[in-house]
Amino acid sequence: EVQLVESGGGLVQPGRSLKLSCLASGFTFSNYGMNWIRQAPGKGLEWVASISSSSSYIYYADTVKGRFTISRDNAKNTLYLQMTSLRSEDTALYYCARHPSRRDYYFDYWGQGVMVTVSS
Amino acid sequence: NIVLTQSPASLAVILGQKATISCTASESVNKFGINLMHWYQQKPGQLPKILIYNEFSRAPGIPARFSGDEAELNFTLTIEPVEADDVATYYCQQGLTFPLTFGAGTKLELK
Repeated sequence: EVQLVESGGGLVQPGRSLKLSCLASGFTFSNYGMNWIRQAPGKGLEWVASISSSSSYIYYADTVKGRFTISRDNAKNTLYLQMTSLRSEDTALYYCARHPSRRDYYFDYWGQGVMVTVSS
Repeated sequence: NIVLTQSPASLAVILGQKATISCTASESVNKFGINLMHWYQQKPGQLPKILIYNEFSRAPGIPARFSGDEAELNFTLTIEPVEADDVATYYCQQGLTFPLTFGAGTKLELK
């Protein structure tokens, strides 16, 4: 069974940093591209970043480019999102999600999400 | 960026009737003859779930009540017949180019 479990969220002050993790199991993690998608309270879905299976290709939303860094450790089956210079508008539930192939950028498995609250 | 405009924002349907949700793309999402448009269902308090990928292909376990179609950049998700378990917000998403984008969502309720 595919499982994605996020961790690392919490309350953080504006301008500070936070690092999210997503532990994957139930599939060969190193074969799949991964993504972070967020959802502000009561709002819709916003794609944040994508990383290919070997980390060769990385993409970011303009809203986080230069502040967030997506990375992965295939030996640890773990996806990361390093977030710096956090703003109140980054407050959201952050999901990690898998995309099924490098040609198919849709999200077939999602984690339960981890909440990030940016507030003083 | 490819903008996806969903309509209506909310929809009330009688049990057993048909629900139609529209998603209009600002430009083509077609690659090699396949429209890279996808649909998700998010029930209240739950994580999103893939329903339809590549315009009309149902994800594993998704019943035939859910179908996808396209006409001139206007994509539709149809649910027929609607069941009580379908109460949710539905999102379209394009997978052609970065940034990947979602529609704003359509909230389906029962009348």
